[in-house]
Amino acid sequence: DAGVTQSPTHLIKTRGQHVTLRCSPISGHKSVSWYQQVLGQGPQFIFQYYEKEERGRGNFPDRFSARQFPNYSSELNVNALLLGDSALYLCASSSEINYGYTFGSGTRLTVV
Amino acid sequence: RKEVEQDPGPFNVPEGATVAFNCTYSNSASQSFFWYRQDCRKEPKLLMSVYSSGNEDGRFTAQLNRASQYISLLIRDSKLSDSATYLCVVTPGAGYALNFGKGTSLLVTP
Repeated sequence: DAGVTQSPTHLIKTRGQHVTLRCSPISGHKSVSWYQQVLGQGPQFIFQYYEKEERGRGNFPDRFSARQFPNYSSELNVNALLLGDSALYLCASSSEINYGYTFGSGTRLTVV
Repeated sequence: RKEVEQDPGPFNVPEGATVAFNCTYSNSASQSFFWYRQDCRKEPKLLMSVYSSGNEDGRFTAQLNRASQYISLLIRDSKLSDSATYLCVVTPGAGYALNFGKGTSLLVTP
């Protein structure tokens, strides 16, 4: 069985641009969460979705948005990119809204 | 004050040594506790859950002190392959977001 898959693996964008990151959860998993990890820090919670509804939001600006599709895959969108948005973006899935999370290998975003 | 605090290290230890990591958390309502391991430029992976009575998994022992809001991880007989960053994770309970510490870096040397 495939684990949590994220695309793209690496991305370089310019300040002010928009980016869309994608995540496919483990088959059968209905909950998807997004985390941002900047260098030297632990992952920080951005969003949690369950059954296509937002169930939690971290302390991130409105430039960050996300959604979950009927097949439980998810997208994270970031508008008006700043240099400080450069980070590893991690997606985690779980079977129900519980804490058995499995992380994908992440998307490394560099904003120049 | 950060919700989860860890000593970032690095901890440099020889093979075979015993090493302990500590973590404190600020939210007394926290219900679930974990240690994750993260290798360089990889995703975090669950190492073990932490239970009130303490728990052991091979060379790894985790303990929780709710009164002091303190979690620990003990690694015995360190292996080179234990070199990684160890992340302390706290959550209010099932279905809530994971709150990560900054991580403690461990380097085990020959």
